[in-house]
Amino acid sequence: NAGVTQTPKFQVLKTGQSMTLQCAQDMNHNSMYWYRQDPGMGLRLIYYSASEGTTDKGEVPNGYNVSRLNKREFSLRLESAAPSQTSVYFCATQGLAGDEQYFGPGTRLTVT
Amino acid sequence: AQSVTQLGSHVSVSEGALVLLRCNYSSSVPPYLFWYVQYPNQGLQLLLKYTSAATLVKGINGFEAEFKKSETSFHLTKPSAHMSDAAEYFCAVSDGGTGGFKTIFGAGTRLFVKA
Repeated sequence: NAGVTQTPKFQVLKTGQSMTLQCAQDMNHNSMYWYRQDPGMGLRLIYYSASEGTTDKGEVPNGYNVSRLNKREFSLRLESAAPSQTSVYFCATQGLAGDEQYFGPGTRLTVT
Repeated sequence: AQSVTQLGSHVSVSEGALVLLRCNYSSSVPPYLFWYVQYPNQGLQLLLKYTSAATLVKGINGFEAEFKKSETSFHLTKPSAHMSDAAEYFCAVSDGGTGGFKTIFGAGTRLFVKA
């Protein structure tokens, strides 16, 4: 029972490169989220998926796309990376409305 | 719209002293409130949550928080700090799904514990 897993753990990109961050869960949760964490700003929601087949924008969606491949997997894609996207990215899941969220270990991304 | 304010980006206490981390929220509906802890290079993990069953909520590692509707507060306390409590703490509010299952996190308070 791995909970929420994220790959890769670390990544360095050059400006303009693309990449996909992967998230998988074995908790059978319907809702999945992508956040970015920057110093002094807490966690900001990028995109979320309330259930398989649906996705919605969060607070800071510009420059990102997502795909809810199935109930287990929720990926985040950067089409053309920018230095402003240097951050730590967390995936999270949630069972029912009002329940706590369960977080993955994070991906530390640097864009040069 | 929901929001969360954590007072103090850094709090420093001596080992054995009271820990008090402040959180105020705003929500148009009865909220679900959470405190999460983040240790270095890890994701967030739940400390405790308020879901209207009781105003005083006990969590893991000796932490507790009291929901005060009149003050729109949900401050986190621990009677005696331990070195292992040094971490970053996040207060969060959710409307339980009326806003699309979204949870709003505060900016975080980093707790330092001095020997």
